[in-house]
Amino acid sequence: GAGVSQSPRYKVAKRGRDVALRCDSISGHVTLYWYRQTLGQGSEVLTYSQSDAQRDKSGRPSGRFSAERPERSVSTLKIQRTEQGDSAVYLCASSLPWTPNTEAFFGQGTRLTVV
Amino acid sequence: AQTVTQSQPEMSVQEAETVTLSCTYDTSESDYYLFWYKQPPSRQMILVIRQEAYKQQNATENRFSVNFQKAAKSFSLKISDSQLGDAAMYFCAYRTDNNAGNMLTFGGGTRLMVKP
Repeated sequence: GAGVSQSPRYKVAKRGRDVALRCDSISGHVTLYWYRQTLGQGSEVLTYSQSDAQRDKSGRPSGRFSAERPERSVSTLKIQRTEQGDSAVYLCASSLPWTPNTEAFFGQGTRLTVV
Repeated sequence: AQTVTQSQPEMSVQEAETVTLSCTYDTSESDYYLFWYKQPPSRQMILVIRQEAYKQQNATENRFSVNFQKAAKSFSLKISDSQLGDAAMYFCAYRTDNNAGNMLTFGGGTRLMVKP
């Protein structure tokens, strides 16, 4: 595909259930980020990976959040035991290897609602 | 840690007029990058404009320009000749200038409404 694609676009989950959100990044992109976007609070990085290494942003939410990268251009964000506070838009972004001019490309996000 | 603050949750502008969106940030670094992203209802973040901190000249992209005041740590976005399609959420973002990938720190966003 030409851009970053996320699925599903909308997800409703019952509190306590696990969810998995998918991101298909742009072919050739090495670095992949997951952001959580909440109204009025902007977006915060949950986790990111460069190539095959997975780096968690320190201090961010807890072990309930993890990301897997089964293929270089695919990432799955997993949220265990969802809480109502997890309701947000989850954005995926990918980029080429870092240079000063590298740009991050975003997907359309998955809106998660925990009920 | 860097922080980005957008003090205007909502702004409104008449079509064809000019509007300025405010952004301030806090950092101890001297080299970094600043961005403005537009997020329409489709939710896909679109890069509007970027500014390298080491450049004194303000960036310009067609109707979009910035007022970068490094000492004041201010980075405002000016939209000239506003169009209905400019209506969206606008996010100011900061990125460090080192080999830490493309991790962005975002502000809380400003919702821009354009009145016909």
